[in-house]
Amino acid sequence: SAVISQKPSRDICQRGTSLTIQCQVDSQVTMMFWYRQQPGQSLTLIATANQGSEATYESGFVIDKFPISRPNLTFSTLTVSNMSPEDSSIYLCSVEDRPSSYEQYFGPGTRLTVT
Amino acid sequence: QQQVKQSPQSLIVQKGGISIINCAYENTAFDYFPWYQQFPGKGPALLIAIRPDVSEKKEGRFTISFNKSAKQFSLHIMDSQPGDSATYFCAAAGAGSYQLTFGKGTKLSVIP
Repeated sequence: SAVISQKPSRDICQRGTSLTIQCQVDSQVTMMFWYRQQPGQSLTLIATANQGSEATYESGFVIDKFPISRPNLTFSTLTVSNMSPEDSSIYLCSVEDRPSSYEQYFGPGTRLTVT
Repeated sequence: QQQVKQSPQSLIVQKGGISIINCAYENTAFDYFPWYQQFPGKGPALLIAIRPDVSEKKEGRFTISFNKSAKQFSLHIMDSQPGDSATYFCAAAGAGSYQLTFGKGTKLSVIP
């Protein structure tokens, strides 16, 4: 399975600032996903990021707040903009390892605290 | 709204016992049902998955049972060990979409 790394692993940020989270995969993948997991809660999909196309956002998430880049088949970034304490959460990227398999593998996550 | 309902929310099992976690789904177009295991501070790890063409899949001590007519599937952990203590999430995908819909999770504690 694909090996996924994320940077930073954690950060503490002030409200009103922005943080960019990086997701790196050790192999080329078509589909990458960004999730949010609030403490003790389940995972909520933010957006799907396919290389060469605009990210597709889920209901409740907008591009101005969570801009995503997908410059190639092994890398993506998620920016959390104009942060508020409500954005404190774990942000996870995942990839579909084999096309059309549905199998998703997750990175270790980025724990964000907004003060 | 597509939903996957998971129960119980928490589970305590003695070492060597069987842990059973249940999930129910609504969308009959779902055709992929994975289970994820998550330890504190880590990302979810794909544990085992099943498709509707089989009623059971076993990998080591982990078994998925699938009941298509009831729209339910469950995870059985045989000979549960303290190292199995984690949060388990069921999920579903399909209906022309590769997006996973997750259950709310079950926190499993295996006590010696």
